[in-house]
Amino acid sequence: NAGVTQTPKFRILKIGQSMTLQCAQDMNHNYMYWYRQDPGMGLKLIYYSVGAGITDKGEVPNGYNVSRSTTEDFPLRLELAAPSQTSVYFCASSPRWNEQFFGPGTRLTVL
Amino acid sequence: TQLLEQSPQFLSIQEGENLTVYCNSSSVFSSLQWYRQEPGEGPVLLVTVVTGGEVKKLKRLTFQFGDARKDSSLHITAAQPGDTGLYLCAGAAGGFKTIFGAGTRLFVKA
Repeated sequence: NAGVTQTPKFRILKIGQSMTLQCAQDMNHNYMYWYRQDPGMGLKLIYYSVGAGITDKGEVPNGYNVSRSTTEDFPLRLELAAPSQTSVYFCASSPRWNEQFFGPGTRLTVL
Repeated sequence: TQLLEQSPQFLSIQEGENLTVYCNSSSVFSSLQWYRQEPGEGPVLLVTVVTGGEVKKLKRLTFQFGDARKDSSLHITAAQPGDTGLYLCAGAAGGFKTIFGAGTRLFVKA
């Protein structure tokens, strides 16, 4: 099993550009999550999904969108990148809602 | 708003020393998780504690959940350089949401 995979590993965006962060898991987990981690801070939940076709907002959803068309994939979309979105983004999945397996992260810089 | 506060923020010790890090809240949690994160990687789940007063051991790591389920501690015996990392606690924040503490960054010197 590859576990949770994320692409790209690094990305630099200009203000106002858009991009999609990809996340996939091969463990058949129903629950998937997107977090951002800023320096010296814990992880903040952006969006989560409890199954294909079902998504909901976390603590910091503004400026992001998600979709969950399959169990395996949970992409995160940034429509109009802003410097405040510079962060490390982690995707996670879990068989139960409170024990999560994390991907390696995407480091995003918005200039 | 539920918060998890972790202390200390940073800890630097010599190999072989013992240490304890804390995760505290004013809210009751149905369960708490501890994760370790190494630089450039995602967090890795170490343990879940569910019952008030519960103690779990994972080799040299001992995890305790407070009786009131508002706090937890992680004790490491005879720390090794391989224990270096960011230790995060996490708990349920209602529904399917999880909140994380800011973490304790541990550095173990050889």
